Amino acid sequence: DIQLTQSPSSLSASVGDKVTITCRASRSISTSLNWYQQQPGKAPKLLIYGASTLQSGVPSRFSGRGSGTDFTLTISGLQREDFATYFCQHSYSTLLTFGGGTKLEI
Amino acid sequence: QLQLQESGPGLVKPSETLSLTCSVSGDSLSSGSHYWGWIRQPPGQSLEWIGSFFYGGNTYYNPSLKSRVTISVDTSKNHFSLIVNSVTAADTAVYFCARQWKYDILTAYYSFDYWGQGALVTVSS
Repeated sequence: DIQLTQSPSSLSASVGDKVTITCRASRSISTSLNWYQQQPGKAPKLLIYGASTLQSGVPSRFSGRGSGTDFTLTISGLQREDFATYFCQHSYSTLLTFGGGTKLEI
Repeated sequence: QLQLQESGPGLVKPSETLSLTCSVSGDSLSSGSHYWGWIRQPPGQSLEWIGSFFYGGNTYYNPSLKSRVTISVDTSKNHFSLIVNSVTAADTAVYFCARQWKYDILTAYYSFDYWGQGALVTVSS
């Protein structure tokens, strides 16, 4: 199995801040890394695929970087609607796994 | 506009069988264009992939659940189903169905681009 470890598990920030969430894979997964945002009681929403490509309709304040084992999701200029939980997920192997999540709080 | 909708009992007794259906509108399961999958999320926890299928092709399961899980498809109703046998309290979760989109044809990397709203299933006597 490929494990994905997210850090931090929770993060406090303010509107307008820039924040970075990290996802580390237990072995190289090339760029097969996706990021999702989940609001309470809702389904996850795809933000970024292929480590760095913004899904259609996602604001440009979201950005992703990385390859191999280390990946980051950065939100520049936090908006109130960005306070949510974020998950990473890989598709490098047929066993798909998600990270443990990062809860972004005000 | 693609939409997915989970349905099924919200309460299942321990040792019994959990059965959910995902109804799809706006895309055809028999087109063979995408994988379709199930993901679950226990209360307050992260997401766990259960399994995915490709119509006319392979079905993949999470090894941790494979012995108890079956995913099937009914193209006449354009829906697919999940069965989990011998459930315990650990199977209590919100169950999501989703489309698994191949965004990179060369490398066969996927993401889940469309999701159902989720169905809470509680295992309790």
